[in-house]
Amino acid sequence: SSELTQDPAESVALGQTVRITCQGDSLRNYYASWYQVRPGQAPLLVIYGKDNRPSGIPDRFSGSSSGNTASLTITGAQAEDEADYYCDSRDSSGNHLVFGGGTRLTVL
Amino acid sequence: QVRLVQSGTEVKKPGASVEISCQASGYTFTSYFIHWVRQAPGQGLEWMGIINPSGGITTYAQKFQGRVTMTRDRSTSTVYMDLSSLRSEDTAVYYCAREYIDPRGVKYYYGLDLWGQGTTVTVSS
Repeated sequence: SSELTQDPAESVALGQTVRITCQGDSLRNYYASWYQVRPGQAPLLVIYGKDNRPSGIPDRFSGSSSGNTASLTITGAQAEDEADYYCDSRDSSGNHLVFGGGTRLTVL
Repeated sequence: QVRLVQSGTEVKKPGASVEISCQASGYTFTSYFIHWVRQAPGQGLEWMGIINPSGGITTYAQKFQGRVTMTRDRSTSTVYMDLSSLRSEDTAVYYCAREYIDPRGVKYYYGLDLWGQGTTVTVSS
């Protein structure tokens, strides 16, 4: 399968921890990357590889993977973390990319 | 400054074609793949295809095969994406984004670490 599945919505209380998951067969062979998308802005890479943060991404963002599931964890969520989050990965062929459907995160 | 700068807003009629450009600056053009991703209103991110700026080799998503063409001009560090036979469902924001090419040839996915600002394409009669 070349699909990545995400829950459509999650919510988290300010300062608490939230885990956003992404499932798909290709994740058994390739790590997921995670993007934050705010309204009207281009996506921003927040996690790639096993658990790597690009420069400038706060360390409250972390990634993990097990089997066919990748997770993005935000520890101590802030109001500015409210956004849509997408995972992506290479598909099973390794030649294409595939995106998850996205998770809308609400910070309460 | 490291950036990808895309061409401006387009309004097209159904059946027409659109060409969007993506000019890279501040880094070695041939060291990164360029991907094209779109987001229709209220929808998620959708991968369209990839071009290797070094040799110009492309791979397209099955959905766009036959309608999309990606090319590059190494002299200006610019990648172009042409989408033909436009229909209303192609109304979206189109992004280019780069992916690091591991010189070791390892198939490790580093993610899309730099994105253009997006180009809005509206298809309407």
